[in-house]
Amino acid sequence: GNSVTQMEGPVTLSEEAFLTINCTYTATGYPSLFWYVQYPGEGLQLLLKATKADDKGSNKGFEATYRKETTSFHLEKGSVQVSDSAVYFCALSDGVQGAQKLVFGQGTRLTINP
Amino acid sequence: EAGVAQSPRYKIIEKRQSVAFWCNPISGHATLYWYQQILGQGPKLLIQFQNNGVVDDSQLPKDRFSAERLKGVDSTLKIQPAKLEDSAVYLCASSYPWGYQETQYFGPGTRLLVL
Repeated sequence: GNSVTQMEGPVTLSEEAFLTINCTYTATGYPSLFWYVQYPGEGLQLLLKATKADDKGSNKGFEATYRKETTSFHLEKGSVQVSDSAVYFCALSDGVQGAQKLVFGQGTRLTINP
Repeated sequence: EAGVAQSPRYKIIEKRQSVAFWCNPISGHATLYWYQQILGQGPKLLIQFQNNGVVDDSQLPKDRFSAERLKGVDSTLKIQPAKLEDSAVYLCASSYPWGYQETQYFGPGTRLLVL
């Protein structure tokens, strides 16, 4: 079945460092791809998404490009802040129109030190 | 706009007891999901409703888990009897099926500990 693999965490960076969190997927067809973020004590929030190959999703300085040739959707940010500390989940949509579910990776915990 | 509401936020029970979780989706959202998130893993879909009909319950352990969505709004997820391995965060999400790729909005979750 469809699946998502994320880079192992935890990831610890200093403020203003460059961030990459790797995500690759296995899927039949052409799923949409998502990054969700979970801040401490809060629910999952959609960070960005891309619905077709070569699309770039972006939000809050984060970017990810849907790469069909490498089946990847890596998350990047040029300069991270302490407030970016959270758990990040890569996900894909699975199923037919109107009956889609999300398939998540295992999550990557990110800690940013001042 | 109010988000997805869930209660309780935390629950501690002993194995073989029963427990129920409640979810109120965003107003107007026809699709409702229950996910199970075990510590260190990503969420896994348990059941999906479209209005008050079940769309997908293929990963719901039906011998102990049940869910209902009366009147196509609120939903309840029940576990009876609970096992140690049911310790997890139970997430409710909703979406409005507008177009092909619906965005799911998540509640804060219910953290269950089974002793």
